[in-house]
Amino acid sequence: DAMVIQNPRYQVTQFGKPVTLSCSQTLNHNVMYWYQQKSSQAPKLLFHYYDKDFNNEADTPDNFQSRRPNTSFCFLDIRSPGLGDAAMYLCATSRTPNLAGYNEQFFGPGTRLTVL
Amino acid sequence: DQQVKQNSPSLSVQEGRISILNCDYTNSMFDYFLWYKKYPAEGPTFLISISSIKDKNEDGRFTVFLNKSAKHLSLHIVPSQPGDSAVYFCAASPDPSGTYKYIFGTGTRLKVLA
Repeated sequence: DAMVIQNPRYQVTQFGKPVTLSCSQTLNHNVMYWYQQKSSQAPKLLFHYYDKDFNNEADTPDNFQSRRPNTSFCFLDIRSPGLGDAAMYLCATSRTPNLAGYNEQFFGPGTRLTVL
Repeated sequence: DQQVKQNSPSLSVQEGRISILNCDYTNSMFDYFLWYKKYPAEGPTFLISISSIKDKNEDGRFTVFLNKSAKHLSLHIVPSQPGDSAVYFCAASPDPSGTYKYIFGTGTRLKVLA
């Protein structure tokens, strides 16, 4: 089945220790997104790639970086995690919008990050 | 400042009855709206969408209504089933062509009681 895969599902890191979360997709979608979701809050878009074009949200901290080495993979790097970065991180993909300008995002199961 | 609001964090409904989940938005430029359903330990999955040129879209037991003048949309589930128990997120697109960004609400947890 075509899908969005996130590894690991649970990640524990120490305060200040760099961590990388990974996302892969078999949908061959050209747009990939990273969202941060904290408890009882809305998913918050951090950045997205349209093919290799990187688009950062204005309020995404510099501590968060991303890499997309090919269509299938996208990585979220947190350079120096703080306690406030503990959250669920969701990866999503979509096709280029259709002629009407719409697209649907397909989500992975998420990686829950704990910062000690 | 939250542009998409789901003011009811939770809702309980008896099996077989109608579930109505509400969503309000503040930006009149929003043009496309979606509902996602999320089970525990899974990512959100797309449920149904509506564009601003319509006021209703139906897919089986799920119907979304859009009231542009009130900046309000609602998701109706009829009849509700225990398997519908999940968190439902409303999302809105500020610009459907050329950008890919959705703004999500905080979600409503629906519990359908058998």
